[in-house]
Amino acid sequence: NAGVTQTPKFQVLKTGQSMTLQCAQDMNHNSMYWYRQDPGMGLRLIYYSASEGTTDKGEVPNGYNVSRLNKREFSLRLESAAPSQTSVYFCASSEVRGPAKNIQYFGAGTRLSVL
Amino acid sequence: DQQVKQNSPSLSVQEGRISILNCDYTNSMFDYFLWYKKYPAEGPTFLISISSIKDKNEDGRFTVFLNKSAKHLSLHIVPSQPGDSAVYFCAASGSAGNNRKLIWGLGTSLAVNP
Repeated sequence: NAGVTQTPKFQVLKTGQSMTLQCAQDMNHNSMYWYRQDPGMGLRLIYYSASEGTTDKGEVPNGYNVSRLNKREFSLRLESAAPSQTSVYFCASSEVRGPAKNIQYFGAGTRLSVL
Repeated sequence: DQQVKQNSPSLSVQEGRISILNCDYTNSMFDYFLWYKKYPAEGPTFLISISSIKDKNEDGRFTVFLNKSAKHLSLHIVPSQPGDSAVYFCAASGSAGNNRKLIWGLGTSLAVNP
């Protein structure tokens, strides 16, 4: 089982460049999330999608856009990358009901450097 | 303002001894608590959880204790093993709507020394 797959694993951008981080899950989960992790800051929610067709802002949405392409895929786009967006990005998914509804399953992360 | 606090950034324990990781929260609407473990260059992985209707949940070497009146939970690892060396995150959520998002602590880095 692949679980949550993120691509790419590493990326270096120049300031002002754009890119899309891809995430796909094969667990048939309804909810998906994008986080960033910075040293000393823990995990901060960027955007989430409670179900297919819906997206909502999290704690730190500025500079990002998301697309819930279908139930499996949730992408994160940086339109004009800035050095402050240098971080490790994690995608996660979860079910919305049942005993495991609060448990989020994470991908391995995308390490992004913006020069 | 941090709603979920892990006040110890790091902890060092000898192999075979008990590791105790602590977490405090401020929001009384939280009713579900989780611990995640994270190795370098990997995503966080779910470890154990507890609902607010319980005060203890055990899974093998891992036990989570919840003290609702003190808004405090702890993760006990007995016996600790070198492979337990990782960063441990505490997270909390409520039951409905936006409260179901996970709120994360900053993590505690555990080192288990052989």
